[in-house]
Amino acid sequence: DAKTTQPTSMDCAEGRAANLPCNHSTISGNEYVYWYRQIHSQGPQYIIHGLKNNETNEMASLIITEDRKSSTLILPHATLRDTAVYYCIVRNSGNTPLVFGKGTRLSVIA
Amino acid sequence: DGGITQSPKYLFRKEGQNVTLSCEQNLNHDAMYWYRQDPGQGLRLIYYSQIVNDFQKGDIAEGYSVSREKKESFPLTVTSAQKNPTAFYLCASSIGGNRGAGELFFGEGSRLTVL
Repeated sequence: DAKTTQPTSMDCAEGRAANLPCNHSTISGNEYVYWYRQIHSQGPQYIIHGLKNNETNEMASLIITEDRKSSTLILPHATLRDTAVYYCIVRNSGNTPLVFGKGTRLSVIA
Repeated sequence: DGGITQSPKYLFRKEGQNVTLSCEQNLNHDAMYWYRQDPGQGLRLIYYSQIVNDFQKGDIAEGYSVSREKKESFPLTVTSAQKNPTAFYLCASSIGGNRGAGELFFGEGSRLTVL
């Protein structure tokens, strides 16, 4: 079972920041937070991951709360091409395969 | 370019027939995975392999079989024992090892429809 809770869907205006929340209240000390997204009928795409520090790359920023029980994925300037299902996943540092929940369906609106 | 190739993209089969989905990667990744996705649902793990000649069952392995005879190939056979095989099938690979298992590279998927 997925260890995360995400809203089913969200809307965001084009050009604005999209903030996607994720609750992972049972996360343990050695578990990372991963984010993927899946555009319709394609394979999921890795976005970013983190342990406890905030992370940023060319696609997004990941903000993890100090108690690590929740996180937010930020797309700073959403475009129509960012419309997708976004998955928040927690996993430990071992070889455990990723477990995907239902994710959040983000719709970017012109 | 390096990547993962799944074929066929679309496949139709009659009930009672076995079908094999191909997955090939040229990323030199040790680990490979098969997931199934049903409409409006997340991905569910069928089988995974962390090294050649070894594989493990995932959450929904019943009715499926795999082989890992070569590092670059991880074919999935959907057998007649799979009661509801119509779905979108996704293959993925990762570097392997402790860090790699979280960063998956996915193929474009194979959509299987049973008539």
